[in-house]
Amino acid sequence: GESVGLHLPTLSVQEGDNSIINCAYSNSASDYFIWYKQESGKGPQFIIDIRSNMDKRQGQRVTVLLNKTVKHLSLQIAATQPGDSAVYFCAETAANQAGTALIFGKGTTLSVSS
Amino acid sequence: DAGVTQSPTHLIKTRGQHVTLRCSPISGHKSVSWYQQVLGQGPQFIFQYYEKEERGRGNFPDRFSARQFPNYSSELNVNALLLGDSALYLCASSQGASGGYGYTFGSGTRLTVV
Repeated sequence: GESVGLHLPTLSVQEGDNSIINCAYSNSASDYFIWYKQESGKGPQFIIDIRSNMDKRQGQRVTVLLNKTVKHLSLQIAATQPGDSAVYFCAETAANQAGTALIFGKGTTLSVSS
Repeated sequence: DAGVTQSPTHLIKTRGQHVTLRCSPISGHKSVSWYQQVLGQGPQFIFQYYEKEERGRGNFPDRFSARQFPNYSSELNVNALLLGDSALYLCASSQGASGGYGYTFGSGTRLTVV
């Protein structure tokens, strides 16, 4: 069958291209999803989030798509810039439950060349 | 405004020693969570504290403990250090107790066990 969007550990793009980073999440009970950007020597930085009652959300240059049927999340970055180079993680949680934790997916290292 | 601050930024310990890591949350945030990030992987949940009470615990041995103080700052303690404890330890703060919602991460403490 056709692949929904495989996770790639690394992604190399040219400046100005659009980037798509994919993530598969694990828990059907998760209702809140976040994309983080992590630069070397720093903690994860919030990029965009989406709740399970939505399938698309847009921010500045970024769009998150959620496909609950196949438990798949993607991050689209428009007009990628060298400053976007970092490791990107998706994370899932049950947002309304106290004491629950973020579960992070496998990261994707984005390299942007100018 | 100051973000989440962690101290120290780096430290080196010997196997079998004890270590204490500290975290100051964003002003007004009452919840602190701790995560361990081994090189090349996503962060893994260790503890969440809210209003000085433990609200969640990840799959870590009893050598790991934490507490939260009346000013909402927190300490993570690790006893009998093992080489495998070498990692970046991240602290995240949020206003409420809901898991993962409204998190802000600090830059972490890089622990090296030799």
